[in-house]
Amino acid sequence: QVQLQESGPGLVKPSETLSLTCTVSGGSISSYYWSWIRQPPGKGLEWIGYIHYSGTANYNPALRSRVSISLDTSQRQFSLRLTSVSAADTAVYYCARSKSSSSRSPFDFWGQGTPITVSS
Amino acid sequence: DIVMTQSPDSLAVSLGERAAINCKSSQNISYSSNNRSYLAWYQQKPEQPPKLFISWASTRESGVPDRFSGSGSETDFTLTITSLQPEDVALYYCQQYFSGWTFGQGTKVEVK
Repeated sequence: QVQLQESGPGLVKPSETLSLTCTVSGGSISSYYWSWIRQPPGKGLEWIGYIHYSGTANYNPALRSRVSISLDTSQRQFSLRLTSVSAADTAVYYCARSKSSSSRSPFDFWGQGTPITVSS
Repeated sequence: DIVMTQSPDSLAVSLGERAAINCKSSQNISYSSNNRSYLAWYQQKPEQPPKLFISWASTRESGVPDRFSGSGSETDFTLTITSLQPEDVALYYCQQYFSGWTFGQGTKVEVK
């Protein structure tokens, strides 16, 4: 059974950079698309971006200028960097896997989510 | 971006009764060449991540009760719960994966 676990700082100051890591266990990290999704308090879900095991990344246009996602296959981890954060970036951040090897597939495995608060 | 709009925002249904959630996409998310609609439904309970329930508009995931069904094509889709059970109380989201991924705003299902 594939398991994903997010790790992160919990609290980030405005204008700083948020860094999160997702550790994958129980399955192959190859051949899939690995995404970050966030959910502000009481609100809906927003896809942030993905990285493919080949190294290809794609980002939500609304966040593209501030986001980067990287992959470390040896550690079975992928990471999110979000720069210049503000209170609007306060959310639960999830990592997730695409169900198939195609980018056109839904997310079948999710981490439990890590809450991130942006505050001074 | 493809915008997904769900209706209603919330729904209260008596136990054993039918619940229906609609999802409309701002553009066609179906391919006639493979007869597939790139639409998924998720269930989310408090303090939990979303759980994939239905993909390809109508294909239930393993373990999802058959009282849940999905239908629709092109721009209009529906999630139906034929006989609401207490454990079905949750938020439900539609998602398109035709071009990137975008979610509807969610529909809260409660017991009347």
